[in-house]
Amino acid sequence: EAGVAQSPRYKIIEKRQSVAFWCNPISGHATLYWYQQILGQGPKLLIQFQNNGVVDDSQLPKDRFSAERLKGVDSTLKIQPAKLEDSAVYLCASSFTGTTYNEQFFGPGTRLTVL
Amino acid sequence: AQTVTQSQPEMSVQEAETVTLSCTYDTSESDYYLFWYKQPPSRQMILVIRQEAYKQQNATENRFSVNFQKAAKSFSLKISDSQLGDAAMYFCAYRSPRTYKYIFGTGTRLKVLA
Repeated sequence: EAGVAQSPRYKIIEKRQSVAFWCNPISGHATLYWYQQILGQGPKLLIQFQNNGVVDDSQLPKDRFSAERLKGVDSTLKIQPAKLEDSAVYLCASSFTGTTYNEQFFGPGTRLTVL
Repeated sequence: AQTVTQSQPEMSVQEAETVTLSCTYDTSESDYYLFWYKQPPSRQMILVIRQEAYKQQNATENRFSVNFQKAAKSFSLKISDSQLGDAAMYFCAYRSPRTYKYIFGTGTRLKVLA
């Protein structure tokens, strides 16, 4: 079975520019997570989708970050405008369902560098 | 709010020896899930082992086992017969059955010495 796909793998931008990341979860997985992992820290949940609805976005900086999940499958995370402190790895993960335990599978991540 | 603490930023172990990674957490919930994830240098995070809080028996997966102390809110990972491929960042994580949210610790970098 194909894993969670993310693109791009690396992105370098200047502050105040915009950037978008794409995630394709494992087929059939209803729950999709976006995490921010700053160097030396553990992943921090930014947003969680159940199908195409948002379950939790309490830690998403909504003044600059936005995310959507089209038709309950692929998802895009956007930052506009980027700040230096947004430099991090952005991880996407998916699981079959969020309502009971099911293993969470991670993608390879996108490393963002903001100059 | 739940928190997860990993107090060991880095650990080293000789190949074939045993190492224990520590994790403590704080929660007011009585039922939850705990996990250990491994993140090799390539960054793809993979699940190592999980523990349901309602189960008293410690989880085991081959060379990996946990010591789950619910009253002490402690969840340590023991790796037996360490191998070079075990070198990675290890993250302890908590999942609430109420919010479905995962909370990760800051990680422990494990070095395996040949």
